[in-house]
Amino acid sequence: NAGVMQNPRHLVRRRGQEARLRCSPVKGHSHVYWYRQLPEEGLKFMVYLQKENIIDESGMPKERFSAEFPKEGPSILRIQQVVRGDSAAYFCASSPRHGADYGYTFGSGTRLTVV
Amino acid sequence: TQLLEQSPQFLSIQEGENLTVYCNSSSVFSSLQWYRQEPGEGPVLLVTVVTGGEVKKLKRLTFQFGDARKDSSLHITAAQPGDTGLYLCAGAPRETGANNLFFGTGTRLTVIP
Repeated sequence: NAGVMQNPRHLVRRRGQEARLRCSPVKGHSHVYWYRQLPEEGLKFMVYLQKENIIDESGMPKERFSAEFPKEGPSILRIQQVVRGDSAAYFCASSPRHGADYGYTFGSGTRLTVV
Repeated sequence: TQLLEQSPQFLSIQEGENLTVYCNSSSVFSSLQWYRQEPGEGPVLLVTVVTGGEVKKLKRLTFQFGDARKDSSLHITAAQPGDTGLYLCAGAPRETGANNLFFGTGTRLTVIP
């Protein structure tokens, strides 16, 4: 499978727990982007990472949210002490080159439900 | 305030009809992209338009980039049920210097057999 792989597809967490969302980009892609989509809303940018570096995290809440893209392994979006408002679909995308002029390949998303 | 406004927000048409959806902004873009998203899946890139006034065709889909590079349209000829989905335009506005894509509000299209 040459696409972006996200897991889990569905994640249920109780308020106060931690959520870890994983994303394996297309092989050879070194640029990873995370987006959040609320019901009936568009995609909102959260963070842009390259291998081992956070390039732009302007869309990510300052507290409870963090992201990483280690040298080896998938990119991880971590949400600590989840609240009901964190319930959303989280999408990861990758691209082969830097810059928004190049198309992104998206994964199928992780649907987080906080109960 | 949305950077990219799409209209209409919802569109329901009969199979075989033609339709046009719009993506507008007050900002200038070096390129705009169109994606289609189906329920439960991530967006899939349809096309990237890069030159002001450019027209690109993808089978029954025609994409146009405005001369001023601030807007784009998507025209579908003889719509089919398989065209049903959420159509999203996306781009990075020049003025922000951002390198990440901003997405429009989306047009949710339903084609009735």
